[in-house]
Amino acid sequence: AQKVTQAQTEISVVEKEDVTLDCVYETRDTTYYLFWYKQPPSGELVFLIRRNSFDEQNEISGRYSWNFQKSTSSFNFTITASQVVDSAVYFCALSEPTMDTGRRALTFGSGTRLQVQP
Amino acid sequence: NAGVTQTPKFQVLKTGQSMTLQCAQDMNHNSMYWYRQDPGMGLRLIYYSASEGTTDKGEVPNGYNVSRLNKREFSLRLESAAPSQTSVYFCASSGRRQGVPTGELFFGEGSRLTVL
Repeated sequence: AQKVTQAQTEISVVEKEDVTLDCVYETRDTTYYLFWYKQPPSGELVFLIRRNSFDEQNEISGRYSWNFQKSTSSFNFTITASQVVDSAVYFCALSEPTMDTGRRALTFGSGTRLQVQP
Repeated sequence: NAGVTQTPKFQVLKTGQSMTLQCAQDMNHNSMYWYRQDPGMGLRLIYYSASEGTTDKGEVPNGYNVSRLNKREFSLRLESAAPSQTSVYFCASSGRRQGVPTGELFFGEGSRLTVL
């Protein structure tokens, strides 16, 4: 069965610091997707990124960057020059086919709460 | 451009009462999901529906039933609410890319349920 571990329960940084959120996953499948979602204090879940298992190229989007390393089953998320608006709970998630039907369901980690202090 | 709409947003129930959470999506997605979110536990899958007419249990299905009424709608029913079902419930949907389900979820705004 799939599993996603976010060992950091809560991180607190001061504005403009860089911060990395860790994500480690377990899967038996060779084809899967990895995701990061953001949940700000307002409660909605906001999609940030999706990576497929065949593409290990790191991705950068503004102040956000993602480091996918298949060898260590990790998909870490770095925020550069953090801002107060980055304060949120961040979830890493894994999508793989279910065993019988090939349908995909998303498994979430327990989340990392990031607090950015001014 | 509504996306995923779920109702109600807030509900307080007494133990033993029943209620149904409604969810509708307007993105023509095949797959729909119900998750619950509890502090420190992330989101856990209750039930999902890969297509109209099919439903499957997720990680925590006990105490819940679902109905995929049509392609747009996927409801979650609590027949006899228990305090352990106090949670925030999220409905989500996902589509396909080149015919393959992507697993990328679009979420509703959540429904906060309290069972006394």
